[in-house]
Amino acid sequence: QQQVKQSPQSLIVQKGGISIINCAYENTAFDYFPWYQQFPGKGPALLIAIRPDVSEKKEGRFTISFNKSAKQFSLHIMDSQPGDSATYFCAASIVTNAGKSTFGDGTTLTVKP
Amino acid sequence: SAVISQKPSRDICQRGTSLTIQCQVDSQVTMMFWYRQQPGQSLTLIATANQGSEATYESGFVIDKFPISRPNLTFSTLTVSNMSPEDSSIYLCSVDSPSGAYNEQFFGPGTRLTVL
Repeated sequence: QQQVKQSPQSLIVQKGGISIINCAYENTAFDYFPWYQQFPGKGPALLIAIRPDVSEKKEGRFTISFNKSAKQFSLHIMDSQPGDSATYFCAASIVTNAGKSTFGDGTTLTVKP
Repeated sequence: SAVISQKPSRDICQRGTSLTIQCQVDSQVTMMFWYRQQPGQSLTLIATANQGSEATYESGFVIDKFPISRPNLTFSTLTVSNMSPEDSSIYLCSVDSPSGAYNEQFFGPGTRLTVL
């Protein structure tokens, strides 16, 4: 049973456009929702994260929107750049499980110049 | 943040052999984790490496196949035993934040394993 479902599997966006990646979770005990960015040959790197007590968090061009009632959260990348081309993973974890995360399947983002 | 190194970065191994992967962190951390990432797929947690005690394995992973050591707060090893082609994957070491920042996880660069 997959606990975190991510879509789309791949995404192509023009430079300057908005990239949107969506995730849905099932376990209502999850209370921490990070997004990771992974470049080929590298490990995932934490990009931005949110807790369920807020509906939105913004860091630079990256924004997480969180809908607790719908059990959904999304990553928005504004003014997408070719350097943003990477695989993005959403994840969810429970604080009392000491940071172990359940990951979505990943979205491969390509930003065309 | 934490800087994590893994050795080897990649290896090609024969069926039936074993490979030990090392993970070194530049700071003392409480939690160390081992993940598997099959090509083009998501990350699956193998186990949590506990310092001074046996590792805690996730469903579907067993100690005989993936023995783990954690001799101190900055180092861990994962052994992939009696390998088969199905074990071909990227193995990632992950740690929690040395500063204790809420649920932050940092990942090493991974070890790309190919089993022939």
